[in-house]
Amino acid sequence: QITLKESGPSLVKPTQTLTLTCTFSGFSLSTPGVSVGWIRQPPGKALEWLALIYWDDDKRYSPSLKGRLTITKDTSKDQVVLKLTNMDPVDTGTYYCAHRGGYYDGSVYHYLTFDYWGPGTLVTVSS
Amino acid sequence: EIVMTQSPVTLSVSPGERATLSCRASQSVNTKLAWFQQKPGQAPRLLIYGAYTRATGIPARFSGSGSGTEFTLTISGLQSEDFAVYYCQQYNDWPLFTFGPGSKLDIK
Repeated sequence: QITLKESGPSLVKPTQTLTLTCTFSGFSLSTPGVSVGWIRQPPGKALEWLALIYWDDDKRYSPSLKGRLTITKDTSKDQVVLKLTNMDPVDTGTYYCAHRGGYYDGSVYHYLTFDYWGPGTLVTVSS
Repeated sequence: EIVMTQSPVTLSVSPGERATLSCRASQSVNTKLAWFQQKPGQAPRLLIYGAYTRATGIPARFSGSGSGTEFTLTISGLQSEDFAVYYCQQYNDWPLFTFGPGSKLDIK
């Protein structure tokens, strides 16, 4: 059974760096093909993908936030960490981590989309 | 960057009836299109991936169709628990995952 859970501060001040941790179980980020992503959602608004990290430590970032984002993993702890620098009130929202699904057909790994999500953590940016 | 649009913004339907939600991509995403359901205070739940494949545990009343740039999510025999916000998402245009703005399904 795959589960994920986000943790981190609920309140950060403008210009500070946000650090969020995703702790997961039911899979290993050292297994080929596995990846974990972060998605956020401002209050009352749509979802926005932020970053993705693969089992081989390959990383992808949203172009609109690339210079501010860092994603890392700690395979021994089954955790993924997201850092977002220079926080602004517009960064207020619920931050989710999610497992990206996929399957191996014997020759190629087919990547799908986010199939398991954490419950999310609300982050408010305010002085 | 691919832009996703959804229509209608809000759809009011009576329980037991059918709801049809639309999603359009600004360029072809082949069939790399997913639908998510989100209820207030909850994380999104994957319903459909690959444009028409139901995710594990999703009831058969949810069906997806389309390819390229035009997609549809149909919910037949609406039940009370189906009233929520629905998002489409493309995962074809690497490195981006792009979500639509969402459609709210209301009880009529």
